[in-house]
Amino acid sequence: QVRLLESGPGLVKPSETLSLTCVVSGDSLTRGYYWGWVRQSPGKGLEWIGSVSQTGGTYYKSSLRSRLTISIDTSRKQFSLKVTSATAADTAVYYCSRHGSVRGDYGINYFDTWGPGTLVIVSS
Amino acid sequence: EIVLTQSPGTLSLSPGERATLSCRASQSVRNTYLAWYQQKPGQAPRLLIYGASSRATGIPDRFSGSGSGTDFTLTISRLEPEDFAVYYCQQYGSSPSLTFGQGTKVEIK
Repeated sequence: QVRLLESGPGLVKPSETLSLTCVVSGDSLTRGYYWGWVRQSPGKGLEWIGSVSQTGGTYYKSSLRSRLTISIDTSRKQFSLKVTSATAADTAVYYCSRHGSVRGDYGINYFDTWGPGTLVIVSS
Repeated sequence: EIVLTQSPGTLSLSPGERATLSCRASQSVRNTYLAWYQQKPGQAPRLLIYGASSRATGIPDRFSGSGSGTDFTLTISRLEPEDFAVYYCQQYGSSPSLTFGQGTKVEIK
């Protein structure tokens, strides 16, 4: 059974870079699945941030693209998120997740597995 | 970007009652690529339905999804105590641009 676990600083200063890592256990990152990041601001709904393929192809939410970098290290079974120039608006619980398959095809679709989430606060 | 609007914002029901949640898209969702999630306080979302009507692994059959085009529905046939939570819809028809609805809270009446 695949499990995901986010890690990273819980407090980031404004204008600095928010960095998180998601470690995957119970599965290989080379089976074709895509992997993503979703965040949830306090008391708010869910927002897809971006996703990455096993070969490192990246897909970002258009409004955040200029500040995002998502990367993958299949040998270490982890993928990472960086958000530059952080502001209070980036304060949220960040979830890493796995996309599912549609009729056997892998891609950017629904999320079938989620990590427990990690709270990141942007504040001085 | 496809905007998803969920209604009602809050649904107050008693255990054993039927819950009907709506998700309306600002434009047609290609191939009925719509999913539903359940989220309880302090927990990550859990996938319930994908492809508008396919139940995810381990999801009880009291959960069902339907719809196409711009109108989708999640139905819980008989509410169990553990079903009181927030429910989100998500479209992936305009992948790789993914969007979620704002959520419907199902609370105990």
